[in-house]
Amino acid sequence: GAVVSQHPSRVICKSGTSVKIECRSLDFQATTMFWYRQFPKKSLMLMATSNEGSKATYEQGVEKDKFLINHASLTLSTLTVTSAHPEDSSFYICSARDVRRGELFFGEGSRLTVL
Amino acid sequence: AQSVTQLGSHVSVSEGALVLLRCNYSSSVPPYLFWYVQYPNQGLQLLLKYTSAATLVKGINGFEAEFKKSETSFHLTKPSAHMSDAAEYFCAVTPYNAGNMLTFGGGTRLMVKP
Repeated sequence: GAVVSQHPSRVICKSGTSVKIECRSLDFQATTMFWYRQFPKKSLMLMATSNEGSKATYEQGVEKDKFLINHASLTLSTLTVTSAHPEDSSFYICSARDVRRGELFFGEGSRLTVL
Repeated sequence: AQSVTQLGSHVSVSEGALVLLRCNYSSSVPPYLFWYVQYPNQGLQLLLKYTSAATLVKGINGFEAEFKKSETSFHLTKPSAHMSDAAEYFCAVTPYNAGNMLTFGGGTRLMVKP
């Protein structure tokens, strides 16, 4: 079964609203989680590295005020797309590192559609 | 810095035929290499990984890949394609000391014809 869970799997919102996506590690603690964005028929682009207890590290070109990341606990990171616009529509995928197993696990992804 | 190039954004094979998906990488330090599979509207599932042990790595669903340092390649193969193998495949690289922060290739869509 999944060891990293994302919620919601699909969300449709109106332009101008904010949307929160959760990423949870189910059976391990993750001090580091990663958020990726995947455009249709494209590869995954790393948006930011989420660190528990500290600020996220954003990749070049990613607006940190647009994509708010909060790593509130060792099992939960959230991505909030603020004032969403149609161009923010995408598939967002998180991953979390299980230090004990030495492996990176991916969530099922969240498809955001902004009308 | 590291990068990954997957040759061929689309590969089509007949059921039962050999599957070969190409991946070349560049990395300034010894790399760890991964192959992931993605089914429509789903996240990524790890097929196999190379982490500096055996150069021939066997993964799930009958897939394997061989790390060739001299060719900077990590091609994915499967002797006999099955219809259920149709999916998007991603090769990814991370420096051995980078804590799993992956750089992905562009992906290859595998189509399997009956």
